[in-house]
Parts: sequence; structure tokens; C-alpha cells
Amino acid sequence: EVQLVESGGGLVQPGGSLRLSCEASGFAFSTYTMNWVRQAPGKGLEWVSYISFSSSTIYYADSVKGRFSVSRDNAKNSLYLQLNSLRADDTAVYYCARYRVFGTASAFDIWGQGTMVTVSS
Amino acid sequence: EIVLTQSPGTLSLSPGERATLSCRASQTISSNSLAWYQHRPGQAPRLLIYGASSRATGIPDKFSGSGSGTDFTLTISRLEPEDFAMYYCQHYGISLWTFGQGTKVEIK
Repeated sequence: EVQLVESGGGLVQPGGSLRLSCEASGFAFSTYTMNWVRQAPGKGLEWVSYISFSSSTIYYADSVKGRFSVSRDNAKNSLYLQLNSLRADDTAVYYCARYRVFGTASAFDIWGQGTMVTVSS
Repeated sequence: EIVLTQSPGTLSLSPGERATLSCRASQTISSNSLAWYQHRPGQAPRLLIYGASSRATGIPDKFSGSGSGTDFTLTISRLEPEDFAMYYCQHYGISLWTFGQGTKVEIK
């Protein structure tokens, strides 16, 4: 079964750090580009970060640039998101999502269940 | 940056009815760059449509996507209980992905 499982969320104080993980199974993880997407309470989906299969290309949303860092370990079928200098508005469920190319189109075709990050004192 | 505006914010319908959801882009976009997702509370988002009109694997044909330019539509032909959820359109540009604010389809 194709699956993504996030972990590492929790309660952290403003200014603190957290590292999220996403473990992939059921597909050739090393051949897929991956993304992080978040959803703040009562809000919609917000794209956070993109990392290519080889880690050679990385993008971030302006809202997290300079504070968050994405990485992956293809040998461990794992994706990571390092969250630093956390603020209250980073409170959200964080999802990892697989990026798939369909000819000339593309989309996020597999998503995890998410891990909750709460930033509060 | 492309802004996607979804309407209506909430759609109140009965099972068996047809749902028509709109996604309008702030400027012309390629149909290849437009996708639709379903998101039920507490669950992982689910890809429904990519390339504006192609159904993802395992998506029933009651879901259909259409549109071009700046106006795109997701249609659910006959609503079933499991279809009551949030729906988001998404666009990808150069190094940036954006979502609409979502349409909630609720039971009337």
C-alpha cells in the first residue's frame, strides 16, 4: 500500500524548533519529488515547501523562507522539515505530499494524515 | 503571484443533488496547472482532478472538472453522503503552489 506517515509534531514555545518526519512506503520514494503543505486551524491549505527527488531543487513559501528547512534521506525513505524560529501563526497540521507528473500536468497525488504543530507559551 | 478565488464559500445541498464549484484565477493560467482536492475533517486530502479535467486514479466519474483561462469548475453530479467535505483548487506556477480558500459542501 502506498503510504505517507508524518510524525514529530507537538507543543513548542514561540521561538522554538521542531523537526517533522514523513516516512514513505509502498513506492519508490527516491524517484519522487515531495512537498510539505500545512493547514492552520479553521483555515485552508497552504503549500510550504518542495524538494526534488535528488534534493537538487528546493523551494519554500515566503511565509517560511529562512526559518524552515526541508531535506530527505532516500536510503531511509524519509522526508524531513526542520522548523526554526517558530511563531504562533505556524500552528497547523503539517502534511507531506507526493508530487506526481501526469504528462504535461502535475499534482499532489498521495498525502499523509498530518502531524499537528502547536506554537504557544 | 496567482490568486485563486473559490465560490461559493459554502454550498448547502441535499444528497442526490448536483454540486457546481467555481475556481477563478487572478490571471490566465494553463489548464495543465490546475488541480482539485477533496478534504474531509481528520483525513488526508485526496486528489480528484489534475490538468483541470483529468480524474485521478480511483476517482468515480461523478466528479468532473472543466474550464480554461481564468475560470474552472468542479462538478459533482449526484451528491452522496461521503461527498460532503471541503474542496480546494490548486495552481502551480514557477516555484510556487497556491490553493484557493476552499468551498465547503454541506448537507442541507
